[in-house]
Amino acid sequence: DAGVIQSPRHEVTEMGQEVTLRCKPISGHNSLFWYRQTMMRGLELLIYFNNNVPIDDSGMPEDRFSAKMPNASFSTLKIQPSEPRDSAVYFCASSFLWTGGAGNNQPQHFGDGTRLSIL
Amino acid sequence: SQQGEEDPQALSIQEGENATMNCSYKTSINNLQWYRQNSGRGLVHLILIRSNEREKHSGRLRVTLDTSKKSSSLLITASRAADTASYFCATDSGNAGGTSYGKLTFGQGTILTVHP
Repeated sequence: DAGVIQSPRHEVTEMGQEVTLRCKPISGHNSLFWYRQTMMRGLELLIYFNNNVPIDDSGMPEDRFSAKMPNASFSTLKIQPSEPRDSAVYFCASSFLWTGGAGNNQPQHFGDGTRLSIL
Repeated sequence: SQQGEEDPQALSIQEGENATMNCSYKTSINNLQWYRQNSGRGLVHLILIRSNEREKHSGRLRVTLDTSKKSSSLLITASRAADTASYFCATDSGNAGGTSYGKLTFGQGTILTVHP
């Protein structure tokens, strides 16, 4: 089975440019998570969706960051305008949420990330 | 300090030895999970232990959970060079109102190096 697919794997761009990161979750999964990983701050949750609806975006650092999930098989994370401090590895992960109960107890499946460098 | 802190930050051992990593957390949890990350790759789920479980095994992995101390440990027995990676614990603390969306809080990780 295909895992979580992220594109591009690497992105190098100049500050001020718009950056769009893409994610295809595992088929059948209904929750999607965007993370950012840096040496200084570790792995930070930016935003997550359930059934294509954003549930919590409190981790999004600034208004320059936005995320969408137009359908169950695709999500984007956009940075506009980009800044050098946005340089990081961005991960997408998906899982299946059993509805109607506390204690989901499901693992997350990660893509291999997008390594973003803003010059 | 953060929810889900691993100890030690780095561990270097010889092949065949056991490796033990610890994780502490602060709030009540639904479950605690351990993940591995190889260099340049995404995180891979290893094992999940629920809040009402005390110990779990999977192959060469053994995880314990002590909710009274808010701590967990991951033991890798008979380590191999291929076990070299970063290991993260992550806690699912559920959500106010009872619905858990599976949101995880990750620690900073333990870098394990296994020398052949």
